[in-house]
Amino acid sequence: SYELSQPLSVSVALGQTARITCGGNNIGNKNVHWYQQKPGQAPVLVIYRDSNRPSGIPERFSGSNSGNTATLTISRVQAGDEADYYCQVWDSSKGVFGGGTNLTVL
Amino acid sequence: EVQLVESGGGFVQPGGSLRLSCTASGFTFSSYTMNWVRQAPGKGLEWVSYISSGSGVIYYADSVKGRFTISRDNAKNSLYLQMNSLRDEDTAVYYCARTRDAYNYWDYWGQGTLVTVSS
Repeated sequence: SYELSQPLSVSVALGQTARITCGGNNIGNKNVHWYQQKPGQAPVLVIYRDSNRPSGIPERFSGSNSGNTATLTISRVQAGDEADYYCQVWDSSKGVFGGGTNLTVL
Repeated sequence: EVQLVESGGGFVQPGGSLRLSCTASGFTFSSYTMNWVRQAPGKGLEWVSYISSGSGVIYYADSVKGRFTISRDNAKNSLYLQMNSLRDEDTAVYYCARTRDAYNYWDYWGQGTLVTVSS
């Protein structure tokens, strides 16, 4: 079965740029989607199909995908961006999530 | 406004059964594929099951195949998950989620319903 790997945690200073990676075998050939989840809340889609932002998601959120790594980039990080972030793909008729990355804003 | 509201969670003993429901509003439910996704306490997200708009295509995670059954009633704007032979490891918050398109990502999620399996 297909597997996605994410760092457990990423820390970034307020106002700086955070990059959260999602590794998978030839993930560049797949469509990667990203979700943000704050404590006690349902996940929220922040990036779909590698680099597209749903309406209402700030332009500070962007994504890329190539080779064996997809990346979620959050520019000018704000305190409100502290959350868990999950990458997701659809593979062999199954949904697959990465293990999630906890973003801490310093 | 799109809304998904889950219900039916609760406490059940191992080996027991439970049926979850998800009631949709604010969009044409019959036009969308739907999914169940769960999250064990303190853990990450795990996809559980998928059902196409007309119920003709259904998929399950290996961890629940043969024990869980997904279904829908488009006339009632409702999605269901029948869970049988429940195990401790099925303890989780269960979310229903709307699939946006053929790329199978989920643009709207319910608030979740907690299922606790314990003796």
